[in-house]
Amino acid sequence: IVLTQSPGTLSLSPGERATLSCRASQSVSGNYLAWYQLKPGQAPRLLIYGASARATGIPDRFSGSGSGTDFTLTIGGLEPEDSAVYYCQQYVSSLALTFGGGTKVETK
Amino acid sequence: QVQLVQSGAEVKKPGSSVKVSCKASGDTLSNLAISWVRQAPGQGPEWMGGIIPLFRSISYAQMFRGRLTITADESSSTAYMELTSLRSEDTAVYYCARRLGIGWFHPWGQGTLVTVSS
Repeated sequence: IVLTQSPGTLSLSPGERATLSCRASQSVSGNYLAWYQLKPGQAPRLLIYGASARATGIPDRFSGSGSGTDFTLTIGGLEPEDSAVYYCQQYVSSLALTFGGGTKVETK
Repeated sequence: QVQLVQSGAEVKKPGSSVKVSCKASGDTLSNLAISWVRQAPGQGPEWMGGIIPLFRSISYAQMFRGRLTITADESSSTAYMELTSLRSEDTAVYYCARRLGIGWFHPWGQGTLVTVSS
């Protein structure tokens, strides 16, 4: 399953809402989709799994939604520390896990 | 809580091999499903394969079969990833991560930069 993320870069002011899209080449059954945050020099951080379940310790401004082939990560009320690259990942097939190409979020 | 700590950066010549380690703490390695994921410059992450020591189960992504070996030493709580026949395209940050449920990852190691250059 190929995951296509858009936009490539999102530049927003603190407090604004960020909407990140992840589109799959075929249906992601079971909503088996996760979202991660990557910052330079840091370990990737799990944000969302099962398309909408927030991982432990993740602020509630991060939310995931969607089903089938279209999924969205929303960051409500952007904070400066949210500047990072965000990736979606599908786990429909246990031997063919794939990630999207990423969306870079910048805070102005 | 589980923590994963990886070995340091490596510089390798084309055609050589690299072995990266991932030491787990907070739980016994046999209870964990450990995967390896790499990220080349400017690209998205790429799942390479994984191991579940408890079930002696190892799986590899198709594109790495034949070049990749994943092992685990339960006595030292350390998982290993060895990639052979290195080429410049293998230059990437290599991560280990605990695989949860059907297939999401948490936590991740800090990453190991492998540079392949003549």
